[in-house]
Order: sequence, then C-alpha cells, then structure tokens
Amino acid sequence: AQSVTQLGSHVSVSEGALVLLRCNYSSSVPPYLFWYVQYPNQGLQLLLKYTTGATLVKGINGFEAEFKKSETSFHLTKPSAHMSDAAEYFCAVSSLSGSARQLTFGSGTQLTVLP
Amino acid sequence: GAGVSQSPSNKVTEKGKDVELRCDPISGHTALYWYRQSLGQGLEFLIYFQGNSAPDKSGLPSDRFSAERTGGSVSTLTIQRTQQEDSAVYLCASSTMPGTGEAFFGQGTRLTVV
Repeated sequence: AQSVTQLGSHVSVSEGALVLLRCNYSSSVPPYLFWYVQYPNQGLQLLLKYTTGATLVKGINGFEAEFKKSETSFHLTKPSAHMSDAAEYFCAVSSLSGSARQLTFGSGTQLTVLP
Repeated sequence: GAGVSQSPSNKVTEKGKDVELRCDPISGHTALYWYRQSLGQGLEFLIYFQGNSAPDKSGLPSDRFSAERTGGSVSTLTIQRTQQEDSAVYLCASSTMPGTGEAFFGQGTRLTVV
C-alpha cells in the first residue's frame, strides 16, 4: 500500500521568496516520486521525478526536490518565486507491485505568489 | 499523436442523460488512468487499466460509472444517468508498464451537467 500526504492545501509566498511545498509518502517498497504542476484549465505537467541515483533532483522552471528516505519526504523547493509559478502542485508516488507501478497522488497544494 | 488526447474537451449534458468520454493514450503505453477533478479539488482516482490485467475499479464512485479499454489502447469512460454532482473535469493519463510509473496527462474533458 502507498499513500501521499501534502502538508498545506494552500501556500502563499511573496515574489522572490523561497518556495517550499511539503510532501511525505508511505510505501512498503522503494518508491519512485514525482511532482506535477497544474496551471489553470490545463492538464498536469511533470515538474521532476526521482527514480534511482542522486537524491537531489532538478526539474523544470528552477524547481528541485530532495528524496529523504529516513524522513519519507520529497519536498519541493525553488529559491525565488515568480508570479508565473502560481499553480496547483501535486506530489505522487509509484511503487512496484508485481509487474505494475500504480501512481498515487496527494491532495495538492495551491501556490499563490504575491507581488 | 504525440500526447494523450481526450475528447470532447467540453461537454454539457442534461441531468439523466448518459455521456461517453474518450481517451487516446500515447502509443505503446500499456497503463491508463482516469481521474476526476471537481472545482477546487484534488485528483480523485477513478479507474486504472494495466496491460491485460483486470482493471482496478476501486475508485469508481457508483455503478453509474464504467470504463473500458479496447485493444489495450483507446479507453471510454461512461457515466449513466448523469447527476449534477458529476460535473467536473475528467482527466486521463497513460504510462509505460512497469517503467517508472510516470504518467502523461491529457488536457481533460470538462463535463457540465445542467
């Protein structure tokens, strides 16, 4: 069984400030982890993913996330927020069960960037 | 096509009517998901198709909802006797199997039941 918890359904930051969106997961087997972004009236777009190897992964638009196994976390960060970052962000986990990897999403975090 | 295609992009239907939503996954992707996203809400898992295995239907909210996937490719989500609470954006995604599990999403179908 696997699950994802995103702390904070709404996060507001000022333009230029640090963005930190929290994600914790539970998985009985080594997980693959993902962050997706959804802009208004659009589908979901992959920001970044962790599969194996380096635990700090970099994605598009200056975002990065670090896989911390001991904390079962995969928090998303960006050093300096832009107005264009305002969107909904979803963390997801997929774990291998048999021959399949089913994706499970968190409930999402709405990011607001204040001028 | 290069991405996941969903049709129609918008659908307005009268309460009580049946609707069919279509998803064309990326060619070669053997896993396919349907999600529902109500206004201001997160992603609600509906159903998952994985190769030739029996689909995971655990997310379907009622027996009015059904989905099929023909030939391991195109999928159709059917909602019978639509209700106003069915109004939402229905998102389809596909992925390779097993691969990394990364899912590629379509743009969604916005369903409005009036």
